[in-house]
Amino acid sequence: DAKTTQPPSMDCAEGRAANLPCNHSTISGNEYVYWYRQIHSQGPQYIIHGLKNNETNEMASLIITEDRKSSTLILPHATLRDTAVYYCIVRAHSGNTPLVFGKGTRLSVIA
Amino acid sequence: DAGVIQSPRHEVTEMGQEVTLRCKPISGHDYLFWYRQTMMRGLELLIYFNNNVPIDDSGMPEDRFSAKMPNASFSTLKIQPSEPRDSAVYFCASSRQALVSEAFFGQGTRLTVV
Repeated sequence: DAKTTQPPSMDCAEGRAANLPCNHSTISGNEYVYWYRQIHSQGPQYIIHGLKNNETNEMASLIITEDRKSSTLILPHATLRDTAVYYCIVRAHSGNTPLVFGKGTRLSVIA
Repeated sequence: DAGVIQSPRHEVTEMGQEVTLRCKPISGHDYLFWYRQTMMRGLELLIYFNNNVPIDDSGMPEDRFSAKMPNASFSTLKIQPSEPRDSAVYFCASSRQALVSEAFFGQGTRLTVV
């Protein structure tokens, strides 16, 4: 079962920042937070991951609270092409732990 | 690299027929995953392999489903006999190892069983 809770849907105006929240209150010390997205009719695509420090790459920023019980994925300037389902996944970095997907957040970027 | 390659992209078959889905992982990746996606159940892990050996097949729905990985560059997912409830999009993914951040997914095979 997925260990995360995400809102089912969100809207964002084009050009504005999209802030997607995720609750993972039962996360344990060796578990990372991953974000993937799935654009319609495509396979999921990796975005970013982190343990406890904030992370940034060319696609997004990941902000993890100090207690690690929640995180926020930030798309700084959302475009129409960012319309997708975004999945927050908690995953251990030990042993064989494949990605377990929940229902995700359907982000609609509106012109 | 061309990424994870799945074939066919679309498959329509009649109930009772055998269906074989194919996957070519990214070269050098030693983990391969098969997922199924439906509206009702979302993305479900079916089975995964490490160095061509099945590690966990607990997600395989029933004995009608089987998966093989005869070598590092090829895997199949077979359904025999197929049923309408098997209609879904089947994704294959590969990664260098389960500890590393990125799993790369193929474009999927949309299976329709009529």
